[in-house]
Formats: sequence, structure tokens, C-alpha cells
Amino acid sequence: DAGVIQSPRHEVTEMGQEVTLRCKPISGHNSLFWYRQTMMRGLELLIYFNNNVPIDDSGMPEDRFSAKMPNASFSTLKIQPSEPRDSAVYFCASSGTVDPGANVLTFGAGSRLTVL
Amino acid sequence: GNSVTQMEGPVTLSEEAFLTINCTYTATGYPSLFWYVQYPGEGLQLLLKATKADDKGSNKGFEATYRKETTSFHLEKGSVQVSDSAVYFCALESSYKLIFGSGTRLLVRP
Repeated sequence: DAGVIQSPRHEVTEMGQEVTLRCKPISGHNSLFWYRQTMMRGLELLIYFNNNVPIDDSGMPEDRFSAKMPNASFSTLKIQPSEPRDSAVYFCASSGTVDPGANVLTFGAGSRLTVL
Repeated sequence: GNSVTQMEGPVTLSEEAFLTINCTYTATGYPSLFWYVQYPGEGLQLLLKATKADDKGSNKGFEATYRKETTSFHLEKGSVQVSDSAVYFCALESSYKLIFGSGTRLLVRP
């Protein structure tokens, strides 16, 4: 398996532009997570999907952020409009189970976003 | 709420030195505990885990023991290598998600 695949790896954009980050989870995994990593706040969970359904989006910073999972093999995280404070590394992770103690996440390599 | 506290880094060691990275947690009940490692430019990788009190997780020479009395899960390695240089994250499972500590950067010098 190729692991969790994220694209783009790097994105530089200007304030106000729309940004779309993409994720392909590991085949067979039914849980998908979007995390954001910054120096100031560390790793923050943005949203969690189970069987393609958003279960918890309480970590999404504001309405400018939205996430979708149209099928089991694809998810997007969109920021519209983007702001400089959105600059961070965004990680997608997937898991094959949510059983306690077995919830091992496999992370993608991340998408580094810079908003000028 | 549930949380994880890690020692601040960076931790700088010479090759073959003994490593300890402290991690303590606050949680209701006895959640599973994890250590993840992040190498430069990469995502996080699971290093080891423990699912109940007194369990010892181990992998690649690293060990951590789940101590409920001290609510700790310290990471140790007897002899570090340059290739161990990375950022290490302690995490606990809270319902369906992982809550991560702030990470500790380890730098091992030849």
C-alpha cells in the first residue's frame, strides 16, 4: 500500500485565494482525520470522518474552512478565503478502526500551506 | 478535559547516550497511550503504544511503560543514534481521536 497520499505537498498562495487540499486514505480504512500543525498551537484535530460521514468538526477554526469526503478513497479540505494565519502544515490521517486501544493512525506526509 | 504534557525541547545528546523524554497525561479512565515520531519533512509515524496500566510498549530500541500511579508514559532508549534525531510526540486516545502533546525535538550529535 502506498500509504496516505496528500496533495499538494507545498502550496503558496495569496491572501483571499481559495485553497484545496486533497487526501487519499489507505484502502480499507474507514476513519479519516484532518490535523493542522503550527509552531504556536502544535497538532490540532480539525475534523473527523467515519464511513465518509463527518462525526466531529468542532476543531474547524471558522466558516472559511470546509471538508468533504465524497467517497471512501478521497477527502478534501478547503479554505476560502485564505488568510496568512492559515499558514501551517495540514496532515491527513486514516485508521482502520475506532476500537479503543487499536486506533492507530497512519499519517500522510502533509501539505505545507503558506498564505502571503 | 484530557491532555498531554511533554518536556520542552530541544534535547541534545551525543551518540550512544541514554535518552528520556518525559510525558504525563490527564484523563478520565485509562486511555491508550502512544508515542509518535516525526522525521524532517514527513508525517508522524507510530513508534510504540500501550493499552493498559503497566503495559510496556517497545520498538526499535525505544521503550515506554504506562504508569497509572504517576500518570506518565516516559520514552526511553539506552543508546541513541544520529538517525534518531526527530520530533517525538506523546499522545492519548480520547474517544475516537488522539490528543497530542506539543512534541519534543531530539538532536543527536555524532
